[in-house]
Amino acid sequence: RKEVEQDPGPFNVPEGATVAFNCTYSNSASQSFFWYRQDCRKEPKLLMSVYSSGNEDGRFTAQLNRASQYISLLIRDSKLSDSATYLCVVSLAGYALNFGKGTSLLVTP
Amino acid sequence: DADVTQTPRNRITKTGKRIMLECSQTKGHDRMYWYRQDPGLGLRLIYYSFDVKDINKGEISDGYSVSRQAQAKFSLSLESAIPNQTALYFCATSEARSQDFQETQYFGPGTRLLVL
Repeated sequence: RKEVEQDPGPFNVPEGATVAFNCTYSNSASQSFFWYRQDCRKEPKLLMSVYSSGNEDGRFTAQLNRASQYISLLIRDSKLSDSATYLCVVSLAGYALNFGKGTSLLVTP
Repeated sequence: DADVTQTPRNRITKTGKRIMLECSQTKGHDRMYWYRQDPGLGLRLIYYSFDVKDINKGEISDGYSVSRQAQAKFSLSLESAIPNQTALYFCATSEARSQDFQETQYFGPGTRLLVL
Protein backbone atom coordinates (compact mmCIF):
# COMPACT_ATOMS: atom_id res chain seq x y z
CA ARG A 1 0.00 0.00 0.00
CA LYS A 2 1.37 3.38 -1.00
CA GLU A 3 2.01 5.60 2.01
CA VAL A 4 0.24 8.60 0.53
CA GLU A 5 -2.73 8.16 -1.75
CA GLN A 6 -4.52 10.75 -3.83
CA ASP A 7 -7.17 10.68 -6.51
CA PRO A 8 -5.19 11.46 -9.67
CA GLY A 9 -8.11 13.24 -11.31
CA PRO A 10 -8.17 15.11 -13.58
CA PHE A 11 -10.55 17.52 -12.00
CA ASN A 12 -12.02 19.83 -14.63
CA VAL A 13 -13.82 22.80 -13.10
CA PRO A 14 -15.05 26.15 -14.41
CA GLU A 15 -13.58 29.41 -13.22
CA GLY A 16 -15.10 30.50 -9.95
CA ALA A 17 -15.92 26.99 -8.79
CA THR A 18 -14.94 25.47 -5.49
CA VAL A 19 -12.96 22.25 -5.67
CA ALA A 20 -11.69 19.91 -2.98
CA PHE A 21 -8.91 17.37 -3.04
CA ASN A 22 -8.45 14.58 -0.57
CA CYS A 23 -5.47 12.56 0.49
CA THR A 24 -4.99 9.64 2.86
CA TYR A 25 -1.79 8.47 4.51
CA SER A 26 -0.94 5.13 6.03
CA ASN A 27 1.55 5.88 8.81
CA SER A 28 -0.18 7.12 11.94
CA ALA A 29 3.17 8.37 13.31
CA SER A 30 3.43 10.99 10.56
CA GLN A 31 4.17 14.42 11.95
CA SER A 32 4.27 16.87 9.09
CA PHE A 33 1.83 17.50 6.30
CA PHE A 34 1.99 19.72 3.26
CA TRP A 35 0.42 20.54 -0.05
CA TYR A 36 2.83 21.26 -2.90
CA ARG A 37 1.90 22.56 -6.30
CA GLN A 38 3.61 21.44 -9.50
CA ASP A 39 3.10 23.08 -12.85
CA CYS A 40 3.70 21.07 -15.99
CA ARG A 41 7.41 20.27 -16.43
CA LYS A 42 8.34 22.47 -13.46
CA GLU A 43 9.61 21.84 -9.98
CA PRO A 44 7.23 21.31 -7.03
CA LYS A 45 6.69 24.35 -4.83
CA LEU A 46 5.21 24.54 -1.38
CA LEU A 47 1.60 25.69 -1.46
CA MET A 48 0.94 25.41 2.24
CA SER A 49 1.72 23.44 5.34
CA VAL A 50 -1.18 21.67 7.01
CA TYR A 51 -1.67 22.13 10.73
CA SER A 52 -3.80 20.10 13.11
CA SER A 53 -6.21 22.97 13.67
CA GLY A 54 -6.64 23.55 9.95
CA ASN A 55 -5.34 26.61 8.19
CA GLU A 56 -6.30 29.03 5.48
CA ASP A 57 -4.29 31.07 3.02
CA GLY A 58 -6.47 33.28 0.90
CA ARG A 59 -8.63 31.05 -1.28
CA PHE A 60 -6.95 27.89 -0.04
CA THR A 61 -7.96 25.94 3.05
CA ALA A 62 -6.20 22.85 4.34
CA GLN A 63 -7.58 20.42 6.89
CA LEU A 64 -5.99 17.54 8.74
CA ASN A 65 -7.87 14.69 10.40
CA ARG A 66 -5.36 12.61 12.33
CA ALA A 67 -7.93 10.08 13.52
CA SER A 68 -8.89 9.23 9.95
CA GLN A 69 -5.39 9.90 8.55
CA TYR A 70 -6.86 12.22 5.99
CA ILE A 71 -5.80 15.58 4.56
CA SER A 72 -7.84 17.88 2.39
CA LEU A 73 -7.30 20.98 0.29
CA LEU A 74 -10.16 23.29 -0.63
CA ILE A 75 -9.79 25.89 -3.36
CA ARG A 76 -12.47 28.55 -3.55
CA ASP A 77 -13.19 30.83 -6.50
CA SER A 78 -10.91 28.86 -8.83
CA LYS A 79 -8.72 30.82 -11.23
CA LEU A 80 -7.28 29.71 -14.54
CA SER A 81 -3.87 30.04 -12.92
CA ASP A 82 -4.79 27.38 -10.37
CA SER A 83 -4.46 24.73 -13.10
CA ALA A 84 -1.66 22.47 -11.93
CA THR A 85 -0.96 19.20 -10.18
CA TYR A 86 -1.39 19.26 -6.41
CA LEU A 87 0.86 16.98 -4.42
CA CYS A 88 -0.07 15.74 -0.97
CA VAL A 89 3.07 15.31 1.11
CA VAL A 90 3.52 13.57 4.44
CA SER A 91 6.59 13.22 6.60
CA LEU A 92 7.51 11.25 9.69
CA ALA A 93 10.10 13.67 10.98
CA GLY A 94 10.01 16.72 8.74
CA TYR A 95 12.70 15.84 6.27
CA ALA A 96 12.08 12.58 4.41
CA LEU A 97 9.00 13.59 2.49
CA ASN A 98 6.59 11.04 1.08
CA PHE A 99 4.82 12.40 -1.96
CA GLY A 100 1.47 11.36 -3.30
CA LYS A 101 1.26 10.93 -7.05
CA GLY A 102 -0.65 14.17 -7.34
CA THR A 103 -4.09 15.35 -8.34
CA SER A 104 -4.43 17.17 -11.63
CA LEU A 105 -6.63 20.27 -11.76
CA LEU A 106 -7.74 22.04 -14.90
CA VAL A 107 -9.70 25.25 -14.50
CA THR A 108 -11.56 26.20 -17.66
CA PRO A 109 -12.93 29.57 -18.79
CA ASP B 1 19.48 34.16 -9.60
CA ALA B 2 17.79 30.92 -8.62
CA ASP B 3 18.47 29.65 -5.12
CA VAL B 4 18.76 26.01 -6.23
CA THR B 5 20.33 25.28 -9.59
CA GLN B 6 20.83 22.02 -11.44
CA THR B 7 23.11 21.19 -14.33
CA PRO B 8 22.61 19.99 -16.95
CA ARG B 9 18.93 20.78 -17.50
CA ASN B 10 18.64 18.14 -20.20
CA ARG B 11 20.83 15.17 -20.99
CA ILE B 12 20.73 12.33 -23.47
CA THR B 13 23.12 9.48 -22.87
CA LYS B 14 23.63 5.87 -23.88
CA THR B 15 23.30 2.70 -21.85
CA GLY B 16 26.44 1.99 -19.87
CA LYS B 17 27.73 5.55 -19.76
CA ARG B 18 28.63 7.26 -16.51
CA ILE B 19 26.97 10.60 -15.94
CA MET B 20 26.84 13.14 -13.17
CA LEU B 21 24.06 15.53 -12.31
CA GLU B 22 25.02 18.52 -10.24
CA CYS B 23 23.11 20.63 -7.76
CA SER B 24 24.13 23.90 -6.15
CA GLN B 25 22.29 26.06 -3.66
CA THR B 26 22.74 29.54 -2.26
CA LYS B 27 20.14 29.21 0.48
CA GLY B 28 22.67 28.18 3.12
CA HIS B 29 20.70 25.05 3.96
CA ASP B 30 22.40 22.05 5.48
CA ARG B 31 20.03 19.43 4.10
CA MET B 32 20.00 18.38 0.46
CA TYR B 33 18.08 15.71 -1.42
CA TRP B 34 17.88 13.96 -4.77
CA TYR B 35 14.53 12.75 -6.14
CA ARG B 36 13.39 11.24 -9.38
CA GLN B 37 9.96 11.68 -10.88
CA ASP B 38 8.37 9.24 -13.27
CA PRO B 39 4.93 9.56 -14.87
CA GLY B 40 2.35 7.83 -12.70
CA LEU B 41 4.81 7.18 -9.88
CA GLY B 42 5.29 10.55 -8.28
CA LEU B 43 8.48 11.74 -6.65
CA ARG B 44 10.77 9.18 -5.03
CA LEU B 45 13.74 9.89 -2.81
CA ILE B 46 17.11 8.60 -4.05
CA TYR B 47 19.59 9.98 -1.50
CA TYR B 48 19.69 12.68 1.11
CA SER B 49 22.38 14.47 3.09
CA PHE B 50 22.03 16.39 6.33
CA ASP B 51 25.50 17.86 6.18
CA VAL B 52 28.79 17.40 4.37
CA LYS B 53 29.68 14.28 6.35
CA ASP B 54 26.25 12.71 6.33
CA ILE B 55 24.88 10.71 3.38
CA ASN B 56 21.80 8.49 3.55
CA LYS B 57 20.08 6.18 1.12
CA GLY B 58 16.53 6.89 0.18
CA GLU B 59 13.80 4.71 -1.22
CA ILE B 60 15.49 3.91 -4.54
CA SER B 61 19.28 4.27 -4.22
CA ASP B 62 20.33 1.22 -6.26
CA GLY B 63 22.25 2.24 -9.36
CA TYR B 64 23.03 5.71 -7.99
CA SER B 65 25.74 7.29 -5.89
CA VAL B 66 26.14 10.78 -4.48
CA SER B 67 28.82 13.16 -3.34
CA ARG B 68 28.43 16.13 -1.00
CA GLN B 69 31.42 18.22 -1.97
CA ALA B 70 30.46 21.20 0.16
CA GLN B 71 27.46 22.52 2.01
CA ALA B 72 26.25 24.10 -1.19
CA LYS B 73 26.91 21.23 -3.61
CA PHE B 74 25.38 17.77 -3.91
CA SER B 75 26.03 15.62 -6.98
CA LEU B 76 24.22 12.52 -8.19
CA SER B 77 26.04 9.95 -10.32
CA LEU B 78 24.78 7.13 -12.45
CA GLU B 79 27.80 4.84 -12.73
CA SER B 80 26.41 2.84 -15.63
CA ALA B 81 23.21 4.33 -16.95
CA ILE B 82 20.33 2.08 -18.00
CA PRO B 83 17.12 2.97 -19.86
CA ASN B 84 14.85 2.65 -16.82
CA GLN B 85 16.79 5.52 -15.24
CA THR B 86 15.17 7.78 -17.80
CA ALA B 87 13.30 10.27 -15.62
CA LEU B 88 13.07 13.82 -14.36
CA TYR B 89 15.54 14.37 -11.53
CA PHE B 90 15.09 17.02 -8.86
CA CYS B 91 17.47 18.31 -6.26
CA ALA B 92 16.00 19.92 -3.14
CA THR B 93 17.22 21.66 -0.01
CA SER B 94 15.76 22.33 3.41
CA GLU B 95 16.67 23.89 6.72
CA ALA B 96 16.33 21.75 9.82
CA ARG B 97 13.42 22.71 12.06
CA SER B 98 13.36 20.53 15.11
CA GLN B 99 10.78 22.71 16.84
CA ASP B 100 7.84 21.79 14.64
CA PHE B 101 9.17 19.54 11.86
CA GLN B 102 7.56 21.80 9.27
CA GLU B 103 10.53 21.81 6.93
CA THR B 104 9.90 23.33 3.56
CA GLN B 105 11.86 21.75 0.76
CA TYR B 106 12.97 24.00 -2.08
CA PHE B 107 13.42 22.30 -5.40
CA GLY B 108 15.72 22.98 -8.29
CA PRO B 109 14.32 23.24 -11.82
CA GLY B 110 15.03 19.60 -12.60
CA THR B 111 17.18 17.64 -15.04
CA ARG B 112 15.52 15.66 -17.79
CA LEU B 113 17.56 12.54 -18.45
CA LEU B 114 17.04 10.19 -21.36
CA VAL B 115 19.02 6.96 -21.43
CA LEU B 116 19.01 5.26 -24.82
